[in-house]
Amino acid sequence: GNSVTQMEGPVTLSEEAFLTINCTYTATGYPSLFWYVQYPGEGLQLLLKATKADDKGSNKGFEATYRKETTSFHLEKGSVQVSDSAVYFCALSDYGGSQGNLIFGKGTKLSVKP
Amino acid sequence: EAGVTQFPSHSVIEKGQTVTLRCDPISGHDNLYWYRRVMGKEIKFLLHFVKESKQDESGMPNNRFLAERTGGTYSTLKVQPAELEDSGVYFCASSSGPPQGTDTQYFGPGTRLTVL
Repeated sequence: GNSVTQMEGPVTLSEEAFLTINCTYTATGYPSLFWYVQYPGEGLQLLLKATKADDKGSNKGFEATYRKETTSFHLEKGSVQVSDSAVYFCALSDYGGSQGNLIFGKGTKLSVKP
Repeated sequence: EAGVTQFPSHSVIEKGQTVTLRCDPISGHDNLYWYRRVMGKEIKFLLHFVKESKQDESGMPNNRFLAERTGGTYSTLKVQPAELEDSGVYFCASSSGPPQGTDTQYFGPGTRLTVL
């Protein structure tokens, strides 16, 4: 069945460091891929998404490219800020006619130190 | 535009009691989803409404869980009787549809349920 695997956390970085959070997936059909973020005390927010191979999603300095050949959707940011501290979830939704429910990875907690 | 809201934000109950969680989706969104995150594990899909109809309830763990969506507006998720393993954070999400993989789901802040 469909699944998402993302790197285990927690990840601790200094401000202005480069961030990569790895995400790989297994899916039948043609999934859409998402990154959601949960800031402390808040709900999940969509960070970015990509709906087909080679698409790049980007938002707030974060970006991720849908790589079909490596079944990956790694999240990157060139220079993190303290305000980026949150839990990041990679997710997929099977585009191939399913009801659209999301399948999530376990989440990666990011802490950015000043 | 108001986002997805959930009530209560926290609930602490004893094993065997009943709890009802409520979700108000974004106005006009036909699709409503329930998810659950048990401590340290993935967020898991529970069920999906399209308007007032249950489109997919394949993720519901057992018959102690009952979800309803009155008139296609707000939804409730009742757990009766609650067990220890039901503890976790329950998220609700809505989308405008039609339900496809490209549709963006907007999440509420979640209800943290603790069963003692």
